[in-house]
Amino acid sequence: DTAVSQTPKYLVTQMGNDKSIKCEQNLGHDTMYWYKQDSKKFLKIMFSYNNKELIINETVPNRFSPKSPDKAHLNLHINSLELGDSAVYFCASSQGYEVNTEAFFGQGTRLTVV
Amino acid sequence: GESVGLHLPTLSVQEGDNSIINCAYSNSASDYFIWYKQESGKGPQFIIDIRSNMDKRQGQRVTVLLNKTVKHLSLQIAATQPGDSAVYFCAENPMDSSYKLIFGSGTRLLVRP
Repeated sequence: DTAVSQTPKYLVTQMGNDKSIKCEQNLGHDTMYWYKQDSKKFLKIMFSYNNKELIINETVPNRFSPKSPDKAHLNLHINSLELGDSAVYFCASSQGYEVNTEAFFGQGTRLTVV
Repeated sequence: GESVGLHLPTLSVQEGDNSIINCAYSNSASDYFIWYKQESGKGPQFIIDIRSNMDKRQGQRVTVLLNKTVKHLSLQIAATQPGDSAVYFCAENPMDSSYKLIFGSGTRLLVRP
């Protein structure tokens, strides 16, 4: 069984469009995250949710809006896509948002904006 | 195909040799560190972690060393295998009120047969 699953795996879209990436975890974790990995493989946290509440928002543009309908799901909606949004987006989850817990990552969504 | 790997430091080792991957972390207050392995087309996968009250921790074929004096972390892989080929990231958890992992820039490990 896949622990953290994201859909779609690949997403190609035009500038200005609005798109969503879905994420689900079946680990029973309380905390979920979105990370962005750029073309240089640099991984940076975007958002963190704990029990459906926003914990971390790392100065991400307002065009990015996470939504957590329940603690097993954290979706990422992006408005007015720009070329610079092209990256691989990873969803992750962990047990609790306290320190010292490992995060489990999904397989990533490669977003290409043309 | 990916061109991103060209920007990454690369370590090339012979199959069967030991590998040492190094990482310098930024925050002297960080108290938890993790090594992740990322294979092509996949998400990062946990390898081993270490807390700041330890200097060394061993797992199966892997050892993590922590030198807090110089803010340095290393991952040692014994008897490197082709399946170890991947990008390796260290991550630190700053000791503040919010949980987040700050990732290093990554090192690509290539295992020669």
